[in-house]
Amino acid sequence: EVQLVESGGGLAQPGGSLRLSCAASGFTFSSYDMHWVRQPPGKGLEWVSAIGTGGDPYYPGSVKGRFTISRDNAKTSLYLQVNSLRAADTAVYYCARGRVVIGGNWYFDLWGRGTLVTVSS
Amino acid sequence: EIVMTQSPATLSVSPGERATLSCRASQSVSSNLAWYQQKPGQAHRLIISGASTRATGIAARFSGSGSGTEFTLTISSLQSEDFAFYYCQQYNDWPITFGPGTKVEVK
Repeated sequence: EVQLVESGGGLAQPGGSLRLSCAASGFTFSSYDMHWVRQPPGKGLEWVSAIGTGGDPYYPGSVKGRFTISRDNAKTSLYLQVNSLRAADTAVYYCARGRVVIGGNWYFDLWGRGTLVTVSS
Repeated sequence: EIVMTQSPATLSVSPGERATLSCRASQSVSSNLAWYQQKPGQAHRLIISGASTRATGIAARFSGSGSGTEFTLTISSLQSEDFAFYYCQQYNDWPITFGPGTKVEVK
């Protein structure tokens, strides 16, 4: 079955760190750019990172310097290291498979169900 | 950053009726626009890419139209499984941005 399964969320202290994981199965993981997208409770979606097939990372300015995306093609897994956590980082974090278009960026043709990160003291 | 807006925030429709959802971009995104469906506890599902191309396995009652800054997702005859949240996303410009969503609920 083609799927993405996130894990690693939970309660974290402000200023703390978390490492999120995404296990991919059912497709050739190494052939796809992969992404993390988050959704704060009751709010919309925010793209927070991408990693190319060659390992090049991409971040929006809002998280650059605090988020680190990585991948292990042998384990068909995607990771997101989140440091210096803030209350505003509280969200469901989704792993997504990206499809890039010539002259544009990515849309997402496969999503996981997400893992909830709660930042609170 | 391109700001995406969606209207209405909530759409109340009876099963079998037509639903029309709107998405607007703050500047042109050409046809680089996708629509997603989200149901509680389920993974997001790609409905439309390229503004009008249905994703694999998506029913023909879903159609997308528009280009530039104005886009529409139409569900021709709502089925029970279509009641959900719908989000648009532009992928023309950096960074990728999403609309706030439209909730399609049972009238």
